Amino acid sequence: DAGVTQSPTHLIKTRGQHVTLRCSPISGHKSVSWYQQVLGQGPQFIFQYYEKEERGRGNFPDRFSARQFPNYSSELNVNALLLGDSALYLCASSFSGSGRGYTFGSGTRLTVV
Amino acid sequence: GENVEQHPSTLSVQEGDSAVIKCTYSDSASNYFPWYKQELGKRPQLIIDIRSNVGEKKDQRIAVTLNKTAKHFSLHITETQPEDSAVYFCAASMGGGYQKVTFGTGTKLQVIP
Repeated sequence: DAGVTQSPTHLIKTRGQHVTLRCSPISGHKSVSWYQQVLGQGPQFIFQYYEKEERGRGNFPDRFSARQFPNYSSELNVNALLLGDSALYLCASSFSGSGRGYTFGSGTRLTVV
Repeated sequence: GENVEQHPSTLSVQEGDSAVIKCTYSDSASNYFPWYKQELGKRPQLIIDIRSNVGEKKDQRIAVTLNKTAKHFSLHITETQPEDSAVYFCAASMGGGYQKVTFGTGTKLQVIP
């Protein structure tokens, strides 16, 4: 049984560009949450989706957006990239929308230059 | 919103000794407290969790204690081994419904052989 898969694994972008990160949850999981982990810090909550609807949003600017598809996979989009957006972006899936039973993907390492 | 503080930020112990990591949380409504282990370059992995109706939980060499009144919880690792070396994150969540998980800042544990 596949775990949470994220793509791409690494990405280098230039300031001002746009990026799309993708996540496929564990089969049967209906909730996807996105986290940003800056080097040396704990993951920070960005979004949570359950049954294709946004259920929670963290303290991130409107440049960050996301969506969940009918197959429960998800995309995180970041516009107008800043150097400070450089981080590991983690996707976590769970069966329900609660914080219990999170399984994280391996993340996408985004570097903005 | 919830705020989770974690200390120490770094911890070095001799192999076979015990390690203790402490966390405090601010929101008395939080009722689910997971601990994650993150090895270098890898995803955070859940190692143990505790719910607010329980004061202590143990799984082999790992135990977690919770003091709801004081709003703090701790991770105890006994008989440490070199493979325990990693960054450990505590976290807090309201557990039910669509609730984000708030992470601490992490403790880098080094077990010296």
